[in-house]
Amino acid sequence: AQSVTQLDSHVSVSEGTPVLLRCNYSSSYSPSLFWYVQHPNKGLQLLLKYTSAATLVKGINGFEAEFKKSETSFHLTKPSAHMSDAAEYFCVVSAYSGGGADGLTFGKGTHLIIQP
Amino acid sequence: GAVVSQHPSRVICKSGTSVKIECRSLDFQATTMFWYRQFPKQSLMLMATSNEGSKATYEQGVEKDKFLINHASLTLSTLTVTSAHPEDSSFYICSAKGQGWEQYFGPGTRLTVT
Repeated sequence: AQSVTQLDSHVSVSEGTPVLLRCNYSSSYSPSLFWYVQHPNKGLQLLLKYTSAATLVKGINGFEAEFKKSETSFHLTKPSAHMSDAAEYFCVVSAYSGGGADGLTFGKGTHLIIQP
Repeated sequence: GAVVSQHPSRVICKSGTSVKIECRSLDFQATTMFWYRQFPKQSLMLMATSNEGSKATYEQGVEKDKFLINHASLTLSTLTVTSAHPEDSSFYICSAKGQGWEQYFGPGTRLTVT
């Protein structure tokens, strides 16, 4: 069994300040972990993925995440928020290292608000 | 990147009728397609997994006779909501996977049952 907990339903930051979106997971297997972003009326877009290689993963649009097995965490960060980052963010876990052999388990999502 | 489309983007139907949602992989062959459901301000819940040419595998609690899934070709999967009721109103999202590991998501279909 696997699950994902996103610790904040809403996060509000000022433009130009750092972003931290928190995610904890549980999995019976060595998990693959992902962050997806969902903009209104658009499909989900993959930001980054962890599949047992480097624990610090760099993604698109300046986002990165660090896999910490001891803390079962996969927090998403960005040094400087941009207005276009405002969206819903999902932390996702897959039981298989390939990441795509099975359906994904989504967290409840974190709504990121960027204040001008 | 790979593109997945869904049609229609929005549909309103009367209670008791059936509605079909299409999911297409536009520039790759999708060996596996997934259907998810998303309630307002909530997460995506996997409904079923379908492989081309075989029966879909449904998640626990999802009625296979109500949510009919057909994956007849490598680029098309359909979800038919039969005898729809207001509680079926939701946002339905498909994803498709080719030979690689990544799932590519469609833009979703908003279903409203009146």
